Amino acid sequence: NAGVTQTPKFRVLKTGQSMTLLCAQDMNHEYMYWYRQDPGMGLRLIHYSVGEGTTAKGEVPDGYNVSRLKKQNFLLGLESAAPSQTSVYFCASRGVTASKEDTQYFGPGTRLTVL
Amino acid sequence: DQQVKQNSPSLSVQEGRISILNCDYTNSMFDYFLWYKKYPAEGPTFLISISSIKDKNEDGRFTVFLNKSAKHLSLHIVPSQPGDSAVYFCAARATNFGNEKLTFGTGTRLTIIP
Repeated sequence: NAGVTQTPKFRVLKTGQSMTLLCAQDMNHEYMYWYRQDPGMGLRLIHYSVGEGTTAKGEVPDGYNVSRLKKQNFLLGLESAAPSQTSVYFCASRGVTASKEDTQYFGPGTRLTVL
Repeated sequence: DQQVKQNSPSLSVQEGRISILNCDYTNSMFDYFLWYKKYPAEGPTFLISISSIKDKNEDGRFTVFLNKSAKHLSLHIVPSQPGDSAVYFCAARATNFGNEKLTFGTGTRLTIIP
């Protein structure tokens, strides 16, 4: 049981390049999330998904796209990377039960640098 | 508009003493609160939570207090240990409004001095 995994762990891009970050979870969770963490800003929600085939915008969605074609995977895409997207990206997942004590489980993060 | 605020970016505490981390929120719809702990180069991990129907929740060395009237919560760690050195994030959820989302604070870096 690997939990939440993220690929890649590190990446350096040039301005204008594109890339896709992959998040995978093996807990059969319904909800999945993409966050970015910047110094002094905490964790900010980029996009999220409440189930396979669904996506929704979070707090800072501009410049990113997502897809949830399979329940276990949540992809984050940058079509044309900008230096402002230099950040650490975290994926998280959460199960859906009757208890509101459900918490989010986070992956180890992807450190992205855009030059 | 920062709905969850952690006004202390950092805190240093002697080993064995009590660590108190604070969090304030502005959205009165928040009814569930969580604390996450994050080590460098790792993802955040869940630490402890509290529902708005309670004012205290304890789990071993960790206790979270909620003051709804002041819209304030705090995390107490006693006794503090070197392994507690990490960044702590406060998070909040409005269960009946956007239940699927958490709003995070900016984090407090706790350093335990041996």
